[in-house]
Amino acid sequence: AQSVTQLGSHVSVSEGALVLLRCNYSSSVPPYLFWYVQYPNQGLQLLLKYTTGATLVKGINGFEAEFKKSETSFHLTKPSAHMSDAAEYFCAVTTNSGGYQKVTFGTGTKLQVIP
Amino acid sequence: DGGITQSPKYLFRKEGQNVTLSCEQNLNHDAMYWYRQDPGQGLRLIYYSQIVNDFQKGDIAEGYSVSREKKESFPLTVTSAQKNPTAFYLCASRMGQGGTYGYTFGSGTRLTVV
Repeated sequence: AQSVTQLGSHVSVSEGALVLLRCNYSSSVPPYLFWYVQYPNQGLQLLLKYTTGATLVKGINGFEAEFKKSETSFHLTKPSAHMSDAAEYFCAVTTNSGGYQKVTFGTGTKLQVIP
Repeated sequence: DGGITQSPKYLFRKEGQNVTLSCEQNLNHDAMYWYRQDPGQGLRLIYYSQIVNDFQKGDIAEGYSVSREKKESFPLTVTSAQKNPTAFYLCASRMGQGGTYGYTFGSGTRLTVV
């Protein structure tokens, strides 16, 4: 069975500081990895994804993530936080389960940006 | 612009009542999904449909029902058998079943039992 762990349900950073949101997964087969962002009372929006190829992927709004197979991690980073980055972020893993592409979401990390 | 429309945005249900949440997409996506979101629990899959007139139970299907009569529409009914329906419900779609496709989400329906 696959699982996704997001370390830290709440993360606070100062405006202009580095953002680092952690995601670790467990999967017996190579996964596809995603990060989504959710603003209050809205749906989720795809930030970026890793499927194959380059392990460092860039997404929207200046975010990027690096797939590290040896560490089973897919941490999300942004060099300089902006007030508009305050939201909840979800990591998700997709693996093949009996012919169906099963998606498992982490429990989310709320990012607070302090002016 | 293409997207997913969920309605209503807020819904109040009385004890013992069935309610239906609407989900419509104009993305021409084959696969559609319903998720339930509770604080601190992430997203849990209720039902999914890969093709018209076919749907499958997800991880927490008890107390819910769906239909998929048109490609564009995937309504969710929360029945009186669902004992704790207060939650945020999200509808999503994907272009296909391949694992490389990400989801497109609607803006959600917040259901409250009164």
